[in-house]
Amino acid sequence: SQQGEEDPQALSIQEGENATMNCSYKTSINNLQWYRQNSGRGLVHLILIRSNEREKHSGRLRVTLDTSKKSSSLLITASRAADTASYFCATVESGGSNYKLTFGKGTLLTVNP
Amino acid sequence: DTEVTQTPKHLVMGMTNKKSLKCEQHMGHRAMYWYKQKAKKPPELMFVYSYEKLSINESVPSRFSPECPNSSLLNLHLHALQPEDSALYLCASSQLLALGRQFFGPGTRLTVL
Repeated sequence: SQQGEEDPQALSIQEGENATMNCSYKTSINNLQWYRQNSGRGLVHLILIRSNEREKHSGRLRVTLDTSKKSSSLLITASRAADTASYFCATVESGGSNYKLTFGKGTLLTVNP
Repeated sequence: DTEVTQTPKHLVMGMTNKKSLKCEQHMGHRAMYWYKQKAKKPPELMFVYSYEKLSINESVPSRFSPECPNSSLLNLHLHALQPEDSALYLCASSQLLALGRQFFGPGTRLTVL
Protein backbone atom coordinates (compact mmCIF):
# COMPACT_ATOMS: atom_id res chain seq x y z
CA SER A 1 0.00 0.00 0.00
CA GLN A 2 1.16 3.53 -0.68
CA GLN A 3 1.98 5.41 2.47
CA GLY A 4 2.96 8.75 1.02
CA GLU A 5 0.88 10.72 -1.42
CA GLU A 6 2.62 13.53 -3.23
CA ASP A 7 0.92 16.66 -4.39
CA PRO A 8 0.97 17.84 -7.10
CA GLN A 9 1.47 14.86 -9.40
CA ALA A 10 3.16 17.11 -11.95
CA LEU A 11 4.67 20.58 -11.72
CA SER A 12 6.10 22.75 -14.47
CA ILE A 13 8.05 25.91 -13.65
CA GLN A 14 10.60 28.28 -15.17
CA GLU A 15 14.26 28.21 -14.28
CA GLY A 16 14.95 30.37 -11.26
CA GLU A 17 11.53 29.85 -9.69
CA ASN A 18 10.92 27.89 -6.52
CA ALA A 19 9.24 24.48 -6.55
CA THR A 20 7.20 23.12 -3.67
CA MET A 21 6.05 19.53 -3.40
CA ASN A 22 3.91 18.09 -0.64
CA CYS A 23 3.62 14.63 0.82
CA SER A 24 0.99 13.18 3.12
CA TYR A 25 1.15 9.88 4.94
CA LYS A 26 -1.08 7.78 7.13
CA THR A 27 0.82 6.03 9.93
CA SER A 28 3.30 6.95 12.65
CA ILE A 29 6.76 7.29 11.24
CA ASN A 30 10.34 7.11 12.39
CA ASN A 31 11.56 9.31 9.57
CA LEU A 32 10.63 10.64 6.16
CA GLN A 33 13.01 10.80 3.23
CA TRP A 34 12.97 12.50 -0.15
CA TYR A 35 14.48 10.94 -3.25
CA ARG A 36 15.00 12.20 -6.79
CA GLN A 37 14.82 10.02 -9.88
CA ASN A 38 15.94 11.15 -13.29
CA SER A 39 14.07 9.50 -16.13
CA GLY A 40 14.53 5.73 -16.07
CA ARG A 41 17.45 5.88 -13.65
CA GLY A 42 18.12 4.98 -10.03
CA LEU A 43 16.94 7.01 -7.08
CA VAL A 44 19.18 9.54 -5.38
CA HIS A 45 18.69 10.29 -1.70
CA LEU A 46 18.15 14.00 -1.06
CA ILE A 47 17.35 14.45 2.60
CA LEU A 48 16.10 12.61 5.69
CA ILE A 49 14.05 14.23 8.40
CA ARG A 50 13.34 12.44 11.67
CA SER A 51 9.97 12.46 13.38
CA ASN A 52 11.23 14.77 16.14
CA GLU A 53 12.52 17.35 13.63
CA ARG A 54 10.39 20.07 12.07
CA GLU A 55 12.65 21.53 9.41
CA LYS A 56 15.87 20.63 7.65
CA HIS A 57 18.00 22.33 5.02
CA SER A 58 20.49 21.01 2.51
CA GLY A 59 21.82 23.43 -0.08
CA ARG A 60 18.83 24.63 -2.11
CA LEU A 61 16.52 22.13 -0.44
CA ARG A 62 14.27 22.81 2.51
CA VAL A 63 12.13 20.08 4.02
CA THR A 64 9.46 20.53 6.66
CA LEU A 65 7.63 17.87 8.63
CA ASP A 66 4.36 18.27 10.48
CA THR A 67 3.65 15.03 12.34
CA SER A 68 0.34 16.32 13.68
CA LYS A 69 -0.91 16.71 10.11
CA LYS A 70 1.11 13.75 8.84
CA SER A 71 2.56 15.83 6.06
CA SER A 72 5.88 17.04 4.69
CA SER A 73 6.94 19.52 2.06
CA LEU A 74 10.03 19.78 -0.12
CA LEU A 75 11.02 23.23 -1.36
CA ILE A 76 13.64 23.59 -4.08
CA THR A 77 14.79 27.19 -4.40
CA ALA A 78 16.21 28.86 -7.50
CA SER A 79 15.42 25.84 -9.66
CA ARG A 80 17.62 24.76 -12.56
CA ALA A 81 16.87 22.74 -15.68
CA ALA A 82 18.96 19.95 -14.12
CA ASP A 83 16.38 19.67 -11.31
CA THR A 84 13.94 18.17 -13.82
CA ALA A 85 13.13 14.75 -12.37
CA SER A 86 10.56 12.79 -10.40
CA TYR A 87 10.60 13.40 -6.66
CA PHE A 88 9.39 10.77 -4.20
CA CYS A 89 8.79 10.97 -0.51
CA ALA A 90 9.36 7.74 1.38
CA THR A 91 8.44 6.95 4.95
CA VAL A 92 9.91 4.55 7.45
CA GLU A 93 7.23 3.51 9.88
CA SER A 94 7.87 3.36 13.57
CA GLY A 95 7.46 -0.12 14.99
CA GLY A 96 7.30 -3.45 13.22
CA SER A 97 7.66 -2.36 9.59
CA ASN A 98 10.69 -0.16 10.15
CA TYR A 99 12.73 -2.24 7.73
CA LYS A 100 11.14 -0.75 4.65
CA LEU A 101 10.77 2.46 2.75
CA THR A 102 7.23 3.06 1.58
CA PHE A 103 7.20 5.39 -1.37
CA GLY A 104 4.59 7.88 -2.41
CA LYS A 105 3.40 8.17 -5.98
CA GLY A 106 5.84 10.94 -6.82
CA THR A 107 5.81 14.43 -8.31
CA LEU A 108 7.18 14.95 -11.81
CA LEU A 109 8.98 18.30 -11.83
CA THR A 110 9.82 19.97 -15.13
CA VAL A 111 12.04 23.04 -15.02
CA ASN A 112 11.96 24.95 -18.29
CA PRO A 113 15.09 26.88 -19.33
CA ASP B 1 33.23 4.17 -3.11
CA THR B 2 29.60 5.22 -2.56
CA GLU B 3 28.18 3.48 -5.58
CA VAL B 4 25.83 0.60 -6.17
CA THR B 5 26.35 -1.02 -9.56
CA GLN B 6 23.91 -3.16 -11.48
CA THR B 7 24.35 -5.34 -14.53
CA PRO B 8 23.09 -5.58 -17.15
CA LYS B 9 21.61 -2.15 -17.87
CA HIS B 10 19.08 -3.63 -20.26
CA LEU B 11 17.80 -7.18 -20.63
CA VAL B 12 15.34 -8.67 -23.09
CA MET B 13 14.23 -12.22 -22.44
CA GLY B 14 11.61 -14.68 -23.55
CA MET B 15 9.16 -16.30 -21.19
CA THR B 16 11.10 -19.58 -21.22
CA ASN B 17 14.52 -18.06 -20.56
CA LYS B 18 16.54 -18.08 -17.37
CA LYS B 19 18.54 -14.97 -16.62
CA SER B 20 20.10 -13.23 -13.67
CA LEU B 21 20.42 -9.63 -12.54
CA LYS B 22 23.48 -8.65 -10.54
CA CYS B 23 24.06 -5.94 -7.96
CA GLU B 24 27.27 -4.99 -6.19
CA GLN B 25 28.26 -2.52 -3.47
CA HIS B 26 31.55 -1.94 -1.68
CA MET B 27 30.38 0.40 1.05
CA GLY B 28 30.34 -2.30 3.72
CA HIS B 29 26.55 -2.13 3.90
CA ARG B 30 24.92 -5.11 5.55
CA ALA B 31 21.41 -4.67 4.17
CA MET B 32 20.51 -5.02 0.49
CA TYR B 33 17.19 -4.69 -1.29
CA TRP B 34 15.49 -5.50 -4.58
CA TYR B 35 12.73 -3.21 -5.87
CA LYS B 36 10.52 -3.40 -8.93
CA GLN B 37 9.35 -0.19 -10.59
CA LYS B 38 6.77 0.04 -13.36
CA ALA B 39 6.59 3.11 -15.57
CA LYS B 40 5.31 6.24 -13.82
CA LYS B 41 4.93 4.33 -10.53
CA PRO B 42 6.96 4.34 -7.32
CA PRO B 43 9.37 1.52 -6.50
CA GLU B 44 7.85 -1.52 -4.81
CA LEU B 45 9.91 -3.55 -2.39
CA MET B 46 10.48 -7.19 -3.36
CA PHE B 47 13.18 -8.64 -1.10
CA VAL B 48 15.37 -7.57 1.80
CA TYR B 49 18.65 -9.18 2.84
CA SER B 50 20.30 -8.47 6.15
CA TYR B 51 23.74 -9.89 6.87
CA GLU B 52 23.43 -12.06 3.75
CA LYS B 53 20.24 -13.69 4.98
CA LEU B 54 16.83 -13.19 3.42
CA SER B 55 14.83 -11.18 5.91
CA ILE B 56 11.81 -10.11 3.96
CA ASN B 57 9.99 -11.51 0.94
CA GLU B 58 7.12 -9.23 0.03
CA SER B 59 5.00 -12.06 -1.38
CA VAL B 60 6.96 -12.14 -4.60
CA PRO B 61 6.17 -14.98 -7.08
CA SER B 62 8.65 -17.86 -7.07
CA ARG B 63 9.73 -17.10 -10.63
CA PHE B 64 11.90 -14.45 -8.94
CA SER B 65 14.64 -16.02 -6.82
CA PRO B 66 17.07 -13.83 -4.90
CA GLU B 67 20.54 -14.84 -3.79
CA CYS B 68 23.17 -13.11 -1.68
CA PRO B 69 26.51 -14.91 -2.24
CA ASN B 70 28.44 -12.52 0.01
CA SER B 71 28.11 -9.18 1.72
CA SER B 72 28.86 -7.22 -1.46
CA LEU B 73 26.79 -9.09 -4.02
CA LEU B 74 23.11 -9.56 -4.61
CA ASN B 75 21.59 -11.53 -7.47
CA LEU B 76 18.06 -11.88 -8.73
CA HIS B 77 17.46 -15.05 -10.73
CA LEU B 78 14.64 -14.92 -13.24
CA HIS B 79 12.81 -17.89 -14.71
CA ALA B 80 9.57 -18.30 -16.64
CA LEU B 81 8.69 -14.62 -16.40
CA GLN B 82 5.55 -13.06 -17.78
CA PRO B 83 5.29 -9.95 -19.98
CA GLU B 84 3.81 -8.07 -17.00
CA ASP B 85 7.12 -8.56 -15.20
CA SER B 86 8.69 -6.06 -17.59
CA ALA B 87 9.91 -3.19 -15.40
CA LEU B 88 12.93 -1.39 -14.01
CA TYR B 89 14.56 -3.52 -11.31
CA LEU B 90 16.42 -1.51 -8.73
CA CYS B 91 18.93 -2.70 -6.20
CA ALA B 92 19.67 -0.70 -3.07
CA SER B 93 21.81 -1.00 0.02
CA SER B 94 21.93 0.56 3.45
CA GLN B 95 24.38 0.48 6.31
CA LEU B 96 22.05 -1.59 8.42
CA LEU B 97 18.52 -2.83 8.04
CA ALA B 98 15.92 -0.12 8.28
CA LEU B 99 15.68 3.49 9.33
CA GLY B 100 18.47 5.08 7.35
CA ARG B 101 18.97 6.23 3.83
CA GLN B 102 19.27 3.74 1.03
CA PHE B 103 21.74 3.93 -1.84
CA PHE B 104 20.25 2.89 -5.16
CA GLY B 105 21.84 1.45 -8.25
CA PRO B 106 20.92 2.69 -11.74
CA GLY B 107 18.63 -0.26 -12.34
CA THR B 108 18.17 -2.96 -14.96
CA ARG B 109 15.49 -2.33 -17.57
CA LEU B 110 13.88 -5.72 -18.15
CA THR B 111 11.64 -6.53 -21.09
CA VAL B 112 9.89 -9.90 -21.21
CA LEU B 113 8.62 -10.90 -24.63
